[in-house]
Amino acid sequence: QLQESGPELVKPSETLSLTCTVSGDSISSGGYFWGWLRQPPGKGLEWIASIYHSGNTYYNPSLRSRVTISVDTSKNHFSLKLSSVNAADTAVYYCTRHYSSGWHNSWGLGTLVTVSS
Amino acid sequence: DIQMTQSPSSLSASVGDRVTITCRASQAISNSLAWYQHEPGKAPKLLLLAASRLESGVPSRFSGSGSGTDYTLTVSSLQPEDFATYYCQQYYSSPQTFGQGTKVEIK
Repeated sequence: QLQESGPELVKPSETLSLTCTVSGDSISSGGYFWGWLRQPPGKGLEWIASIYHSGNTYYNPSLRSRVTISVDTSKNHFSLKLSSVNAADTAVYYCTRHYSSGWHNSWGLGTLVTVSS
Repeated sequence: DIQMTQSPSSLSASVGDRVTITCRASQAISNSLAWYQHEPGKAPKLLLLAASRLESGVPSRFSGSGSGTDYTLTVSSLQPEDFATYYCQQYYSSPQTFGQGTKVEIK
């Protein structure tokens, strides 16, 4: 089970920070990647970034300059930071578990983050 | 990036109907395609991977087919719990990309 947490409202130009807490599975056991996706209102899903328990990271080039993904295996959670946000970053953010090939076999419920002053 | 185009964007159907959703990739993706179901208020659910392989626990009324750039998801007999939004995803090349979704509504 995956659960996203973090502020629901972020001001423009600030940094969006989210954490995904994993239960019923151990990030450090390996075998899976852990990722973040988002869905702006009325639009499709967009993959943001993924991380392996070793710390290897993978980013969508379209967001690479503003995104940092990290993992804390001792807390069994992973995190997303998106800097210099603007209204276009308003979206439902999902954390997922996926195979190296790329399909996502477990998702969180998602959390709506609104960028507004 | 590979663009994924789903059609239709929405459809109305009745319980028991056969429903087909199409996903077209902007280039060949060698069956590297997954389908997801998303019901409001729930986490999205993986239905099929590799274009036609049913995920464990998914009812057999769901099936997938296709090759090259064109893929389909078929629900052979729509059930009340199947009214949801469906997304395709290509994982052939990075960045992985998704279709815009198809909302299946009750007629």
